[in-house]
Amino acid sequence: GENVEQHPSTLSVQEGDSAVIKCTYSDSASNYFPWYKQELGKGPQLIIDIRSNVGEKKDQRIAVTLNKTAKHFSLHITETQPEDSAVYFCAAEKGGGADGLTFGKGTHLIIQP
Amino acid sequence: DGGITQSPKYLFRKEGQNVTLSCEQNLNHDAMYWYRQDPGQGLRLIYYSQIVNDFQKGDIAEGYSVSREKKESFPLTVTSAQKNPTAFYLCASKARQNTEAFFGQGTRLTVV
Repeated sequence: GENVEQHPSTLSVQEGDSAVIKCTYSDSASNYFPWYKQELGKGPQLIIDIRSNVGEKKDQRIAVTLNKTAKHFSLHITETQPEDSAVYFCAAEKGGGADGLTFGKGTHLIIQP
Repeated sequence: DGGITQSPKYLFRKEGQNVTLSCEQNLNHDAMYWYRQDPGQGLRLIYYSQIVNDFQKGDIAEGYSVSREKKESFPLTVTSAQKNPTAFYLCASKARQNTEAFFGQGTRLTVV
């Protein structure tokens, strides 16, 4: 089955700096890659996703890049703010995969004032 | 207001008891999922259902059971056979493959 590795497990950055979280996946049939943000005691919420027919997608301060050849994708957050502090999860899903998403283990992002 | 609702938010179980976690969605989604979340472990799939009256085991199904009698409901029972049930449980639903999964707010289960 699919395996998703996520790094780093903890990331601390100064407010205003950029943060980058990286994920790799194992199944070349995977074609959908969402990123979720989870605040303490709540369920994850989608912040951005990318499909395998594009290499990059941006939404204001957030961007995701995908390298299908290397089987890795990354989340980029620019001009970080205190409200960006949370746990972020990457995930992968393959076309025709009935069991849905396979998640990475998460990155705890800490924004230092 | 469309969404996915889990209840209760907190649940305490005594050793040897079965408990049932509720998950209801009004998004008209066919697919529903149960995940278990432990610190540093990410989200691990317990059970999933693509259609009413059908469900499949995920990666860590032992000690759990589910039912899918209605499209909007997918309850999870944590049985006494689950040796380490203390965790945060998340329910999710999707309209179809390769689209956003919507999550509930979770149920924190603690064995006392």
